[in-house]
Amino acid sequence: DSGVTQTPKHLITATGQRVTLRCSPRSGDLSVYWYQQSLDQGLQFLIQYYNGEERAKGNILERFSAQQFPDLHSELNLSSLELGDSALYFCASSVGDGTSTDTQYFGPGTRLTVL
Amino acid sequence: AQSVTQLGSHVSVSEGALVLLRCNYSSSVPPYLFWYVQYPNQGLQLLLKYTTGATLVKGINGFEAEFKKSETSFHLTKPSAHMSDAAEYFCAVSSNDYKLSFGAGTTVTVRA
Repeated sequence: DSGVTQTPKHLITATGQRVTLRCSPRSGDLSVYWYQQSLDQGLQFLIQYYNGEERAKGNILERFSAQQFPDLHSELNLSSLELGDSALYFCASSVGDGTSTDTQYFGPGTRLTVL
Repeated sequence: AQSVTQLGSHVSVSEGALVLLRCNYSSSVPPYLFWYVQYPNQGLQLLLKYTTGATLVKGINGFEAEFKKSETSFHLTKPSAHMSDAAEYFCAVSSNDYKLSFGAGTTVTVRA
């Protein structure tokens, strides 16, 4: 158990809908990262927050947004969902601001299925 | 920008045999390298990482990896495979841009 929690574990929804994925980092960690894992794209970095502020952005679609709250939990919002958004979404956390030697600890993931 | 290539999407080994998973990276700056393991229906778990210093890095579960700058490689090995090593393994590289770039992954199956 990494100490990173994600809810829900599974999510099934329809195209065009909007969903929110939630992540609680390990106690003491200030950074939260979101990744998408799909069969065709592999593991892709989406976005990072450090202490409430956006720190780095990867291949995140405009339909997706995220935020980190004062208690350091984070939410990833996915809207206007398409079939291709079906994937495993991982959250990771680290103690620092994400400098290269910072170890990221991953949560168990949320499996999103868009029908 | 950095990237990772994992050679071989599937590796099958006999129990007790050597496990060798290949990873090559490209990076314009000195890289920091990681191996993660993903068991079925679970998140990623860090096996080991290289930042600076000793190029042979020992990790959990008997795994180790050697950083070879001249070959831009960071291959993962374990001398004797166990059934519990069946999983997917990801090599990742990080430089100065706060994000991990992952390889496509290598699935390991262990034959009894």
